[in-house]
Amino acid sequence: GAVVSQHPSWVICKSGTSVKIECRSLDFQATTMFWYRQFPKQSLMLMATSNEGSKATYEQGVEKDKFLINHASLTLSTLTVTSAHPEDSSFYICSAQSDFPAYNEQFFGPGTRLTVL
Amino acid sequence: AQSVTQLGSHVSVSEGALVLLRCNYSSSVPPYLFWYVQYPNQGLQLLLKYTTGATLVKGINGFEAEFKKSETSFHLTKPSAHMSDAAEYFCAVSDQIDKLIFGTGTRLQVFP
Repeated sequence: GAVVSQHPSWVICKSGTSVKIECRSLDFQATTMFWYRQFPKQSLMLMATSNEGSKATYEQGVEKDKFLINHASLTLSTLTVTSAHPEDSSFYICSAQSDFPAYNEQFFGPGTRLTVL
Repeated sequence: AQSVTQLGSHVSVSEGALVLLRCNYSSSVPPYLFWYVQYPNQGLQLLLKYTTGATLVKGINGFEAEFKKSETSFHLTKPSAHMSDAAEYFCAVSDQIDKLIFGTGTRLQVFP
């Protein structure tokens, strides 16, 4: 149990285009989902926290107009990178949290590698 | 504010040798502590966690960690390294509510 999927697993796009990444909790309902980005050989940095039906809370320094987060249901959150540029190339990882199966534990997706040309 | 320091960005051991990955934390509240493993181009997998209770925590794949409040440490150990243990390891701290603060990671290499 507690499986989180991400789609796509990798994407290459041209500069200026928008890319949508989906994060799904497959066998549980996630009250909270988190989005992280990870640059090569670096740690995960929290970008934003989203609760179903509410606006996402962004970390300091993260442009909310550039990284649009939608958490429309208890099993799906999306991250849209708008007008992507090469500096947005990174590994994006989501996690999902719920009271069940494990209280307050985050379950991580496999990540999405974004390359902007 | 919370923070995590992982000493040593790279650790190399021989197969069968002891693995020791160091993690020190800073927290103004009783922390929840975690160790995650990441294989190349994959997400994070939870190895073990400490919340409350017994300070020696056993996790998957033979790993364990001990919470030492006096030393503000949560070092990860495994008695005998296996080739398949080669990966990136992240220590993380939480304030018991939601946010995870990650350390910078330690890359473990295992030599035959």
